[in-house]
Amino acid sequence: TQLLEQSPQFLSIQEGENLTVYCNSSSVFSSLQWYRQEPGEGPVLLVTVVTGGEVKKLKRLTFQFGDARKDSSLHITAAQTGDTGLYLCAPPRGHKLIFGTGTRLQVFP
Amino acid sequence: GAVVSQHPSRVICKSGTSVKIECRSLDFQATTMFWYRQFPKQSLMLMATSNEGSKATYEQGVEKDKFLINHASLTLSTLTVTSAHPEDSSFYICSARDLKEANEKLFFGSGTQLSVL
Repeated sequence: TQLLEQSPQFLSIQEGENLTVYCNSSSVFSSLQWYRQEPGEGPVLLVTVVTGGEVKKLKRLTFQFGDARKDSSLHITAAQTGDTGLYLCAPPRGHKLIFGTGTRLQVFP
Repeated sequence: GAVVSQHPSRVICKSGTSVKIECRSLDFQATTMFWYRQFPKQSLMLMATSNEGSKATYEQGVEKDKFLINHASLTLSTLTVTSAHPEDSSFYICSARDLKEANEKLFFGSGTQLSVL
């Protein structure tokens, strides 16, 4: 059972556009991680957010943790073809990592 | 950074045969490793937690007799898909945590694409 619903499920945009993907849950988390996975590879950690309301920036990517620590968003400014991939959110649960449903992003040139 | 090596990257087998996938932590020791399965266009689903020197812990709905996990050393965990069938065809990914890394970071292998004919 996946506790984290991500939306949209699929997103196809042109290079240069902005986008936001969401990660929602009814549970409260102490922290949340975002990963990106490219086809045929394992996921790579992008960021960990810990504090409610926290905003972290990674170049053109902006991550926000909801005030209640139940949800998170990822905003990409001026998307590039290299941003194409599967974006996954996941709350560390002790040793385990349970991933959200994922958002598959395709950026066209 | 820590590296996790997974082998083979791709395997094709006949229905009814068994397939072994290896996951190695190359420059750190991992008392715990994790095995995930990913179907096309879907997210990663945790199958089991592999514990060094003890039995693996399986997630609900995962058959332990079908997916045998062995974690005999601090750097190696193996997943054996026994009597594989076409519905077992999937992308299998392992991961491990380097306890020296902050933020509970998991390092992932590059995955194994299993195709059962």
